[in-house]
Amino acid sequence: GESVGLHLPTLSVQEGDNSIINCAYSNSASDYFIWYKQESGKGPQFIIDIRSNMDKRQGQRVTVLLNKTVKHLSLQIAATQPGDSAVYFCAEGAAGNKLTFGGGTRVLVKP
Amino acid sequence: NAGVTQTPKFRILKIGQSMTLQCTQDMNHNYMYWYRQDPGMGLKLIYYSVGAGITDKGEVPNGYNVSRSTTEDFPLRLELAAPSQTSVYFCASSPLLDGMGEQYFGPGTRLTVT
Repeated sequence: GESVGLHLPTLSVQEGDNSIINCAYSNSASDYFIWYKQESGKGPQFIIDIRSNMDKRQGQRVTVLLNKTVKHLSLQIAATQPGDSAVYFCAEGAAGNKLTFGGGTRVLVKP
Repeated sequence: NAGVTQTPKFRILKIGQSMTLQCTQDMNHNYMYWYRQDPGMGLKLIYYSVGAGITDKGEVPNGYNVSRSTTEDFPLRLELAAPSQTSVYFCASSPLLDGMGEQYFGPGTRLTVT
């Protein structure tokens, strides 16, 4: 079936540097995409979303880029902080608000 | 608002036992979902509901049942527990605004079947 996947399972980044987390998706009919952050022992927490008719959206310290030509999604975190250490999931949304989640990327912030 | 609450937080079951995982949301969301998350993996949709009285299967429904008698509650039933059902279970709800819906997740229930 359709699926969402990630390129890198673990990303180590120096505190203060920018982080880029990548995600490939296969369903060109998806209406929107969402990035979630999951800290250890907790449920996923919404970070930012983007509609399929957009190619960029910015939030507080985060930017999501969508390239529909190559079916690629990325999350950029500016000035990464220790509190950003977590697992990040991309998900694609379709009819009925069903989300298909990718496998996750672990971000480790080094002091 | 308490958001999405789940009980219990932890549970150990023996093979063949049954249990119900409880999920309640106080945000008046129509959409509710149950996911399971295996270690180091993403979330897989078990069942979902678009409103009271309406439920539908997700990607991995076998071995589970749900009901949605009220907007607030969406319990997940495990019958004849198997070791393959050892996982962390997350309940979520969503308002679905303008065709796009952020899902709000509960804290999860960690289930071990031995």
